[in-house]
Amino acid sequence: EAGVAQSPRYKIIEKRQSVAFWCNPISGHATLYWYQQILGQGPKLLIQFQNNGVVDDSQLPKDRFSAERLKGVDSTLKIQPAKLEDSAVYLCASSLDNQGRSGNTIYFGEGSWLTVV
Amino acid sequence: AQTVTQSQPEMSVQEAETVTLSCTYDTSESDYYLFWYKQPPSRQMILVIRQEAYKQQNATENRFSVNFQKAAKSFSLKISDSQLGDAAMYFCAQFTGTASKLTFGTGTRLQVTL
Repeated sequence: EAGVAQSPRYKIIEKRQSVAFWCNPISGHATLYWYQQILGQGPKLLIQFQNNGVVDDSQLPKDRFSAERLKGVDSTLKIQPAKLEDSAVYLCASSLDNQGRSGNTIYFGEGSWLTVV
Repeated sequence: AQTVTQSQPEMSVQEAETVTLSCTYDTSESDYYLFWYKQPPSRQMILVIRQEAYKQQNATENRFSVNFQKAAKSFSLKISDSQLGDAAMYFCAQFTGTASKLTFGTGTRLQVTL
């Protein structure tokens, strides 16, 4: 079974530029998450999708971050314009649950490393 | 609010020995799940073990086991017969139905020495 796929793995951009990350979850997984992990910290949830609807985006800096999950499968996370403090690993994750219940294990991709200079 | 606390920023263990990583959590819900994830330098989060709160029996996966103390809201991870490949960051995480998301602790860096 293929895991969660993310690209690109590494990206270096200048501040005020834009960047987009792509995620393909495990086949059949209804729930998709984007986490931000700053060096030395635990991951922090940015946005959660249930199929193609947003369940939680309370910690997404909406003035510069946006995300979509068209057709309820792949997802894209965009940052525009980027700031130095956006340097982090962006982890995409997915789980099987399609009814919003707790308990399904969440599987993570390898992450996309972003460095803003 | 759901909180997860890992009070040990770093731990060290000798190869073949046993080490225990600590974690405490806070929730008012009765339906929740607890996880330990391993994160090597590649930064991928790898599931180590999972515990359902309604189960009294402690989860075990080969050399990894947990000590789940529900009343104390404690969820420690024991690694037996430590191997060099166990060296990584370990994150404790909690999932509740209301929040419907994983909340992570700050992590414990485990070093394994010869």
